[in-house]
Amino acid sequence: DIQMTQSPSSLSASVGDRVTITCQASQDISNYLNWYQQKPGKAPKLLIYDASNLETGVPSRFSGSGSGTDFTFTISSLQPEDIATYYCQQYDNLPRYTFGQGTKLEIK
Amino acid sequence: EVQLVESGGGLVQPGGSLRLSCAASGFTFSSYAMSWVRQAPGKGLEWVSAISGSGGSTYYADSVKGRFTISRDNSKNTLYLQMNSLRAEDTAVYYCAKETRIRLRHIYYFDYWGQGTLVTVSS
Repeated sequence: DIQMTQSPSSLSASVGDRVTITCQASQDISNYLNWYQQKPGKAPKLLIYDASNLETGVPSRFSGSGSGTDFTFTISSLQPEDIATYYCQQYDNLPRYTFGQGTKLEIK
Repeated sequence: EVQLVESGGGLVQPGGSLRLSCAASGFTFSSYAMSWVRQAPGKGLEWVSAISGSGGSTYYADSVKGRFTISRDNSKNTLYLQMNSLRAEDTAVYYCAKETRIRLRHIYYFDYWGQGTLVTVSS
């Protein structure tokens, strides 16, 4: 099975900061990676698909990059409403999707 | 507007059974594969099971294989998860999710999720 490792597990940043989360796959997954945002008590929401494509309606301060085994998710200027847990998800080994363990983002 | 509404969760004893439902609306249900994803309290997301649009193909995580059965009724726009031989470690919020596939570009993602239904396995 493909393992997805996110870092850091938690992160505290100030409004306006640039925030970066990384996701590493245990094997080459090309660009078959998505990013989701989950706010407390809510269902996950798709932000980025295919490693770098912004889902319709998602603010442009969110972006993704990477391929192979190493991926990056970035918030260019952190906003208060971005407080959430973020998950990467691989889809190389379909239909068995695998999620990273999550990164909890808090405001400093 | 796409809507997914789960139901059927609750408290069940270890070894017991439960059937979850997910009522879909706002899209052509039979054209889309669907999945169940769960989240144990305070933990991350775990894909559980998937089913093709026709219902002819089903897939399971190793953790639930042989105990859970996914199915769908396209005439009722409803997805199901039959859960048998439940264990304490099955305690979680269970989400149904609509899968979008762009096959020519090998792109797959969950673009809509339900609000989740809580399953608690405890004596």
